[in-house]
Amino acid sequence: DTEVTQTPKHLVMGMTNKKSLKCEQHMGHRAMYWYKQKAKKPPELMFVYSYEKLSINESVPSRFSPECPNSSLLNLHLHALQPEDSALYLCASSQTGADYGYTFGSGTRLTVV
Amino acid sequence: GQQLNQSPQSMFIQEGEDVSMNCTSSSIFNTWLWYKQDPGEGPVLLIALYKAGELTSNGRLTAQFGITRKDSFLNISASIPSDVGIYFCAGQRRAAGNKLTFGGGTRVLVKP
Repeated sequence: DTEVTQTPKHLVMGMTNKKSLKCEQHMGHRAMYWYKQKAKKPPELMFVYSYEKLSINESVPSRFSPECPNSSLLNLHLHALQPEDSALYLCASSQTGADYGYTFGSGTRLTVV
Repeated sequence: GQQLNQSPQSMFIQEGEDVSMNCTSSSIFNTWLWYKQDPGEGPVLLIALYKAGELTSNGRLTAQFGITRKDSFLNISASIPSDVGIYFCAGQRRAAGNKLTFGGGTRVLVKP
């Protein structure tokens, strides 16, 4: 299995809703990432998990809450989002301690109304 | 944050043409990567480069890691319609925890 699977593919939520994005990989990668991508822009790093521990938070607002329940799963919990948070949210994984590049999922297209 | 300078920002291709894009940086990278992203999808890794001066091919794609480790180019030979998409370069530095730094992207479109 050489894929990163993200669900749901599309999500529309109100500003008072709570929702979660899910990401799964079975490549044995011990580093997992959340990225946010706006239209016509490159992906922007949000969070990095290494060996299930949060290692990097790129000053992301607390309305985004990541969670790594085990080495194969990564969640992003969303609460009280703003319309400007609408974007494509990408999950990625990689080997740790190596510069082999990341494998990205197909993303969740999030619309906040 | 730091960004790689990728050019051109967009280009039109005609089937059969060769196209080229490049990335430059003021910093040295240990690894250069080239990704392609189709609409509504995540980036897909095309080529990874690990050594200065390395030239690597993947089918009709050829990429090089610059000697100074501060630049890379990607060539597509004999372009076909499915080459349309956004191409991103990305660099990794071990000193930065192997975080990816992305270029701004090159949007490849078909000539009308």
